Amino acid sequence: AQKITQTQPGMFVQEKEAVTLDCTYDTSDPSYGLFWYKQPSSGEMIFLIYQGSYDQQNATEGRYSLNFQKARKSANLVISASQLGDSAMYFCAMRPLDKLIFGTGTRLQVFP
Amino acid sequence: GAGVSQSPSNKVTEKGKDVELRCDPISGHTALYWYRQSLGQGLEFLIYFQGNSAPDKSGLPSDRFSAERTGGSVSTLTIQRTQQEDSAVYLCASSSDPGLAYEQYFGPGTRLTVT
Repeated sequence: AQKITQTQPGMFVQEKEAVTLDCTYDTSDPSYGLFWYKQPSSGEMIFLIYQGSYDQQNATEGRYSLNFQKARKSANLVISASQLGDSAMYFCAMRPLDKLIFGTGTRLQVFP
Repeated sequence: GAGVSQSPSNKVTEKGKDVELRCDPISGHTALYWYRQSLGQGLEFLIYFQGNSAPDKSGLPSDRFSAERTGGSVSTLTIQRTQQEDSAVYLCASSSDPGLAYEQYFGPGTRLTVT
């Protein structure tokens, strides 16, 4: 079965600190993509970062980095130097073929 | 350039009525996807179009749900005889390529409420 698991329904972090959002996945496909999306209260889905299953290096995009551990089937998102505007729902997603399979999300709240 | 647009942004309908939701993808994007997000949940895949054909309809929850895409552009998701459990935000996304590495750009969604 193909599945994404996000075990943290909510996380709190102080401004300027780093935070890690957990994501584990399950697939038997040898080739797949892993994505993180941010959904602010406005409801739009904003693409953050992508990691391919064959990529040797962990993906980074500005303050976002993806800690990809293939053997453990985990793809954790690390946000460095958190900002108040980072408060949102964060969804991990996997793409074994065409569609995205989403986790249930983690609500991140950044406090001053 | 314009992003993915969806209309209406909000729709309230009575149980048993039919509704049509529209998605206008980013110009030139060949792949189009429909997802549904129930309150407090992640996104649930409904259907995928490549051009005008739908190679994957596996997520459509029942035969009351159908979708079409014409001219390789605009797509319409139709829900017949709506039920209260159909209440959700319906999100459309498009991608320049259906390949694994290509991100999907999401529209703002249509919030459907069935009373």
